[in-house]
Amino acid sequence: KQEVTQIPAALSVPEGENLVLNCSFTDSAIYNLQWFRQDPGKGLTSLLLIQSSQREQTSGRLNASLDKSSGRSTLYIAASQPGDSATYLCAARYSTLTFGKGTMLLVSP
Amino acid sequence: GAVVSQHPSWVICKSGTSVKIECRSLDFQATTMFWYRQFPKQSLMLMATSNEGSKATYEQGVEKDKFLINHASLTLSTLTVTSAHPEDSSFYICSAITGSVGNNEQFFGPGTRLTVL
Repeated sequence: KQEVTQIPAALSVPEGENLVLNCSFTDSAIYNLQWFRQDPGKGLTSLLLIQSSQREQTSGRLNASLDKSSGRSTLYIAASQPGDSATYLCAARYSTLTFGKGTMLLVSP
Repeated sequence: GAVVSQHPSWVICKSGTSVKIECRSLDFQATTMFWYRQFPKQSLMLMATSNEGSKATYEQGVEKDKFLINHASLTLSTLTVTSAHPEDSSFYICSAITGSVGNNEQFFGPGTRLTVL
């Protein structure tokens, strides 16, 4: 069964800290892996997409890495800000997109 | 990035009525559209996949007669929740992709909050 797991389920940090969110997937035969942000009661905002042939992608303060062989991806957020507070979802693309349950991030001023 | 819209953004209805939710790709042709539901503090669960002009493929446990999906054009898919009950209250999110499902990015709508009284 293809499953995606995210650790931790919740994270609270003071503003300015660098942080890492973890995502693991059971089946390494993915097409790509995507990281999303979801604000309360809202839809999804795509942050980064890493194709299976890539090792990492960067956008501003965000950096996502992919290690297919170990079934892991990490999302690194540098110099966190209160506006980064949201739930972060990772999703692995198989024949369909399989989501993890998310990491709820709270960045306090 | 490509834009996917949903309408309505929220709806409240009485038990037993039917509710239609629209999903549109605004600036691209969506060969495949997906419908998800999300319960509070849970992740997105895929309900069905639809290709334009074809019948939708439903995930295990999703009643196709209750959740009617129509993908009539390359820019519009609709989800109709028939004879809605309170347990159908949820956040419904559509998503669209163009071209091959494998490598292309999937774009998401803003979601529709359904509350059934």
